[in-house]
Amino acid sequence: AQSVTQLDSHVSVSEGTPVLLRCNYSSSYSPSLFWYVQHPNKGLQLLLKYTSAATLVKGINGFEAEFKKSETSFHLTKPSAHMSDAAEYFCVVRGGGATNKLIFGTGTLLAVQP
Amino acid sequence: DAMVIQNPRYQVTQFGKPVTLSCSQTLNHNVMYWYQQKSSQAPKLLFHYYDKDFNNEADTPDNFQSRRPNTSFCFLDIRSPGLGDAAMYLCATSRATPSYYYEQYFGPGTRLTVT
Repeated sequence: AQSVTQLDSHVSVSEGTPVLLRCNYSSSYSPSLFWYVQHPNKGLQLLLKYTSAATLVKGINGFEAEFKKSETSFHLTKPSAHMSDAAEYFCVVRGGGATNKLIFGTGTLLAVQP
Repeated sequence: DAMVIQNPRYQVTQFGKPVTLSCSQTLNHNVMYWYQQKSSQAPKLLFHYYDKDFNNEADTPDNFQSRRPNTSFCFLDIRSPGLGDAAMYLCATSRATPSYYYEQYFGPGTRLTVT
């Protein structure tokens, strides 16, 4: 069965410092992995996706993630945090079967301090 | 811009009074999804349509129904809302072929309050 584990429920960084949001996955076959961001009272926005092409995936707003099969990880990074990055981030794996069901992590709330 | 639109953004209903939430899309995607997201939780899939074919999740209460009259529109009907149904309801769409599903795009959500 597919699953993801987000290792931190809350992360706080200072503006201008690097961001690291950690995600480990479990999958019986090559997974499709996503990071979504959700600002307060808004829908989810796709940041980036991994679908077995390049292991380093670049997304929107300066975010990127690296797929590491040996570590079963898909951590999200950004070199320099901006105040507007404060939001909830979900690591997601696509479930198997024909429904395209998304398996969500529990989310990481990112706070950015001025 | 192609997008997923949800109306209304905020909906207040009374306990037991039927309510309908609306979703439309200009992406021309053939799959549409409804999720329920309670406070500080991940979204939970309620059901989805693949074209006109309805697919219910096993644990979705019978109180929740859906209609998809055409490709662009999908509705979520809550027949008798309870206090526990207060949540954010998210609509999403994706393109799919018989052998592959592409990524899902989400609307802004409708925040439902039950009084």
